[in-house]
This record gives sequence, C-alpha cells and structure tokens, in this order.
Amino acid sequence: AQSVTQPDIHITVSEGASLELRCNYSYGATPYLFWYVQSPGQGLQLLLKYFSGDTLVQGIKGFEAEFKRSQSSFNLRKPSVHWSDAAEYFCAVGASNFGNEKLTFGTGTRLTIIP
Amino acid sequence: EAQVTQNPRYLITVTGKKLTVTCSQNMNHEYMSWYRQDPGLGLRQIYYSMNVEVTDKGDVPEGYKVSRKEKRNFPLILESPSPNQTSLYFCASSYFPGDEQYFGPGTRLTVT
Repeated sequence: AQSVTQPDIHITVSEGASLELRCNYSYGATPYLFWYVQSPGQGLQLLLKYFSGDTLVQGIKGFEAEFKRSQSSFNLRKPSVHWSDAAEYFCAVGASNFGNEKLTFGTGTRLTIIP
Repeated sequence: EAQVTQNPRYLITVTGKKLTVTCSQNMNHEYMSWYRQDPGLGLRQIYYSMNVEVTDKGDVPEGYKVSRKEKRNFPLILESPSPNQTSLYFCASSYFPGDEQYFGPGTRLTVT
C-alpha cells in the first residue's frame, strides 16, 4: 500500500527566507506525486505535480519540487517566501498502475510566516 | 467556469438522522472522490468512483455510502451519522486518478 510522510507538522520562517517542506513516500512502482496548498478556510489548490521526465518540477506561486527516487522524496522548495504563503501544505502520492486508483495524502505541514 | 460544487457548506445534525452531501462537477471528469479532513490526520479518502455506476472504497469507508448515477454527480450519504463523523468533507474530481484533483469548497459537518 502507498503512504506519504510529512515529518514536519509546523514550520515557521521569516518573510523573504527560503523554504523547504519535506515529503517522503512509499510506493512500489513509479508514483504520481503532488503538492497541494490549503489557505485558511479554503479548499485545496494544486501547486505542482510530477508524473515522469524531468525530476525538478516547477509550479505556481514560485514553488518547485524535486523528485528523488533513491531517497523516496519529493520536497517542496521556494527561494523566498511571502506572507501570503502562510497556509497548510499537503503532499500526495497517486498510483501509476491500473487497478490502484487511490490518492493518498500526507498529514500536512502548517507554514507560518513571521515579518 | 470549471468547478466542483458541494452542498451544504455547513451542516449541524443529530446522531442517527440520515443526511446527504451533494457534489457536482462541470468538467466531464471520469474520476470523483470524497475525502474527510481531520486535524493531524490530513485528508483521508472515503470513496472514489472511476465512472458512472463504478464506485470503490477508499481508506475510511465505514459509515458512508456513495452513488454515481450520473457522471457529474457523486453524493455522499450518511445513513446513521455518529459524532465521530464530525469532520470537514471535500469532494474532488479529475480526468483520471493520477491527474490533478479539483476540489470543492468543503462541507463542515457537526454531528451531536
């Protein structure tokens, strides 16, 4: 069965500082990987996704993520955070093989931005 | 505008009183799914549907039912709600399971 671990429950960074949110997954084949963001009181919005090809993926709002198969990781990065980036971030893994159609989410990382 | 709608957005009910949360999408997506979100647990999939009349259990299906009689609609049914089903519920859709999921705005359910 697939699983996702986001080891950091809560991260606080200063505005303008760099950010890295960690995501580790477990899946037997090549996964589909996603990062979603949830602003307070809102639904989820896709930041970026990895299906295949280039392991460095660019997303919206200046975010990027790197797929590292050897480490089973898909960490999210941003070089300089803005106050509007304060939100909860979810990593998710989906199956790439027919017959396993679930999408599994991590428990989320809450990001706080301080001035 | 491409969207997933859910109704109601907020619902307070009592134990045992049957309820239905509706979900509709206008993007002709094949795949639809229901999730519940609880603090510290992230999003957990309740049920999903690959197409009309094709549904399957997710990770936490107990106490829930779904149906998919039309491609655009995927209602979530709680036949006898209990307090442990108090949660924030999201409906989502996509062209296929591994694709980007489009989420509805959420339904906050309280069962007393």
